[in-house]
Amino acid sequence: EAQVTQNPRYLITVTGKKLTVTCSQNMNHEYMSWYRQDPGLGLRQIYYSMNVEVTDKGDVPEGYKVSRKEKRNFPLILESPSPNQTSLYFCASSSPGTGENEQFFGPGTRLTVL
Amino acid sequence: QKEVEQDPGPLSVPEGAIVSLNCTYSNSAFQYFMWYRQYSRKGPELLMYTYSSGNKEDGRFTAQVDKSSKYISLFIRDSQPSDSATYLCAMNQGGKLIFGQGTELSVKP
Repeated sequence: EAQVTQNPRYLITVTGKKLTVTCSQNMNHEYMSWYRQDPGLGLRQIYYSMNVEVTDKGDVPEGYKVSRKEKRNFPLILESPSPNQTSLYFCASSSPGTGENEQFFGPGTRLTVL
Repeated sequence: QKEVEQDPGPLSVPEGAIVSLNCTYSNSAFQYFMWYRQYSRKGPELLMYTYSSGNKEDGRFTAQVDKSSKYISLFIRDSQPSDSATYLCAMNQGGKLIFGQGTELSVKP
């Protein structure tokens, strides 16, 4: 089944404790992206990657890091999480062949930083 | 001013009603216009997309784009309880998607 998977789905952590949210897709997509979703603000892009070893900042990159060492994986790293990073996070992927418009989203990771 | 504005609702309608969801935008460089649907506790999924002014129909759904007014709409005919979800408009800017805030729709039986 073609899908984007994220782990963990739920995470409660404390301020300053480094964490990684994994994202993996099995559709051989070049383009991958991370979003956060907050009430009243919609989906905002954190980082995106056009291909392996190519990443760029989205609209809200502060406090986050990413890497793209393999085509299928795009982990999101929070080196020192803070309470304002409490949010719902989505990973997405797409292929230029279908147009960047159609992004396939993962199920989401709900992060709470205490 | 946000690049894409969408009324967050919530919107509650009876089953069978016609629903109109709307977004306005400010950037005339947007090329593709999309509607995503997001069920509770799920990721968004693409519902419809178009790249030109006019209407595009898919079953009970019609996407409308008016580039001169920078306005897009999604119409749902004969709405069903299964249509209850959050609907997000999105626009493409050089490969990057800009989303509206999302409108929460509830269709009551």
